[in-house]
Amino acid sequence: AQTVTQSQPEMSVQEAETVTLSCTYDTSESDYYLFWYKQPPSRQMILVIRQEAYKQQNATENRFSVNFQKAAKSFSLKISDSQLGDAAMYFCAYRGPISSGSARQLTFGSGTQLTVLP
Amino acid sequence: GAGVSQSPRYKVAKRGQDVALRCDPISGHVSLFWYQQALGQGPEFLTYFQNEAQLDKSGLPSDRFFAERPEGSVSTLKIQRTQQEDSAVYLCASSLVRTARGPYEQYFGPGTRLTVT
Repeated sequence: AQTVTQSQPEMSVQEAETVTLSCTYDTSESDYYLFWYKQPPSRQMILVIRQEAYKQQNATENRFSVNFQKAAKSFSLKISDSQLGDAAMYFCAYRGPISSGSARQLTFGSGTQLTVLP
Repeated sequence: GAGVSQSPRYKVAKRGQDVALRCDPISGHVSLFWYQQALGQGPEFLTYFQNEAQLDKSGLPSDRFFAERPEGSVSTLKIQRTQQEDSAVYLCASSLVRTARGPYEQYFGPGTRLTVT
């Protein structure tokens, strides 16, 4: 079974600074997808960024970028120029290939609570 | 609608009562998922529908949990004889699946917070 581990329950960053959130995962698949979701106190889970395992290039979305290390099974999220609105719980999630049948659901880590200090 | 909606947003039930939680997915989305999120934890998969077919219910914690999607759009998660351990946020997500390959992001609703007293 796939597992996702986020070893940092809490992180804090000064406004305008950069922070990196860590995520490791375990899988025997070679083709899969990784996601970072943000969950503010409103509970609405918002997709931040995604990475396809077959792509070597790291995904980037504005101030958000990932460091995807397939061999190490590591998928960290870097937030640049942190803003107060970035404060939230961040979840790393794994999804297996569609071809594996039942692997359509997301497997989530336990989350990292990010605080942005003014 | 523009996004996934869920109702009610909050539900308080006395132990032993039955509850029904509703999910309206994004129009045209084939896949629908239910997740359970305990306080301070990540969501955990409960069940998955493709159109009206429930293809995976391996995450349902007991036979007190039942989900349906009779017309392939709106889904209802029903919990019978609620217990205190059922207290959690229940999240619904939908995604569009056209071909075998693709990331197919899941779009989440705001969740229903269930408190069993």
